[in-house]
Amino acid sequence: AQSVSQHNHHVILSEAASLELGCNYSYGGTVNLFWYVQYPGQHLQLLLKYFSGDPLVKGIKGFEAEFIKSKFSFNLRKPSVQWSDTAEYFCAVRERGGGKLIFGQGTELSVKP
Amino acid sequence: NAGVTQTPKFQVLKTGQSMTLQCAQDMNHNSMYWYRQDPGMGLRLIYYSASEGTTDKGEVPNGYNVSRLNKREFSLRLESAAPSQTSVYFCASRPTSGETGELFFGEGSRLTVL
Repeated sequence: AQSVSQHNHHVILSEAASLELGCNYSYGGTVNLFWYVQYPGQHLQLLLKYFSGDPLVKGIKGFEAEFIKSKFSFNLRKPSVQWSDTAEYFCAVRERGGGKLIFGQGTELSVKP
Repeated sequence: NAGVTQTPKFQVLKTGQSMTLQCAQDMNHNSMYWYRQDPGMGLRLIYYSASEGTTDKGEVPNGYNVSRLNKREFSLRLESAAPSQTSVYFCASRPTSGETGELFFGEGSRLTVL
């Protein structure tokens, strides 16, 4: 069965600091990978996704993620965070062509102004 | 643009009571999902439906039933609610054709079981 592990439960950064959130998955086959964001009081929104091709994926609001197949990882990065990035971030994986989308536990990001 | 609509948004139940969470999408999506969100556990898939007339168990199906009434609607039923089912429930939908992959979420239903 697929599973997703996010290393950090809560990350606290100051504005302009760089961000990297870890995500590892376990599944032997081909996968589609996603990062979703949930701002306080809102529902989940897609940040970025990887299906195939260039393993460095750029998303909205300056976020990017790198798929490293050999490490089963899909880490999320942003060079300089803003207070408005305060939110919870979820990594998710789906077997290529499959229906189930499995989420990690989430990482809460707090950015201090 | 309604997207994915869930009702009710808030509900308080007593242990043993039953209730149904309703979900409807107006985007002509084939796949629909029910997740629950609990602190520190992320979103866990309860059930999903790849198309009208089909449903499959997710990670945590026990204590729930679902019904894909038609292409638009996917309901989640708690037959005998338990305090462990206190959670925020999210419905989502996804277009299967084209493999865009993105799930579109409703705003959530907060359920408290006393």
